[in-house]
Amino acid sequence: DVKVTQSSRYLVKRTGEKVFLECVQDMDHENMFWYRQDPGLGLRLIYFSYDVKMKEKGDIPEGYSVSREKKERFSLILESASTNQTSMYLCASSTRLGGYTFGSGTRLTVV
Amino acid sequence: GESVGLHLPTLSVQEGDNSIINCAYSNSASDYFIWYKQESGKGPQFIIDIRSNMDKRQGQRVTVLLNKTVKHLSLQIAATQPGDSAVYFCAQGAQKLVFGQGTRLTINP
Repeated sequence: DVKVTQSSRYLVKRTGEKVFLECVQDMDHENMFWYRQDPGLGLRLIYFSYDVKMKEKGDIPEGYSVSREKKERFSLILESASTNQTSMYLCASSTRLGGYTFGSGTRLTVV
Repeated sequence: GESVGLHLPTLSVQEGDNSIINCAYSNSASDYFIWYKQESGKGPQFIIDIRSNMDKRQGQRVTVLLNKTVKHLSLQIAATQPGDSAVYFCAQGAQKLVFGQGTRLTINP
């Protein structure tokens, strides 16, 4: 069964901490994405990557960075976590033709 | 910029009835539309998609209708079951998707 795996389901971090959210896909997909999901705001794109070592800003990149050193792994980094980054984070991957597959999400709480 | 909106944040239907979830979009250049289902505690799951050269596509108990004239997309679920309870999202685009805010579908016994 093909999968997108996010390393943590729940995380609690302190304000100012550096936070890494990891995502791995086993489908050899070219594209990978990070979204955050908040009540009333739907899914908003943070960053995406069309290839290894490539990254593009999404709609809300401020306060985040990403890393894609290998095709199967896409990491989201919060350089200095803040309380307004408390959210559900969803990773997805797709082929160049589409066909998104999502991970189960990481619920991050910043205290 | 692009936007995708759902008409109702919540929808309640009786078990066995048909459900219709609606979505409006702004980018007429987009040629690919998808419906996702998200159950509590899970990531969104693909339900059905449609390209702009079609106006209707059917799956198992689901039908997607696309009206390009009014930029409207709908998802019809036949004979709604308790397992259909979830949040439903429409999305448009291809490599990069733009999502609507979601409609929470609740099934009444």
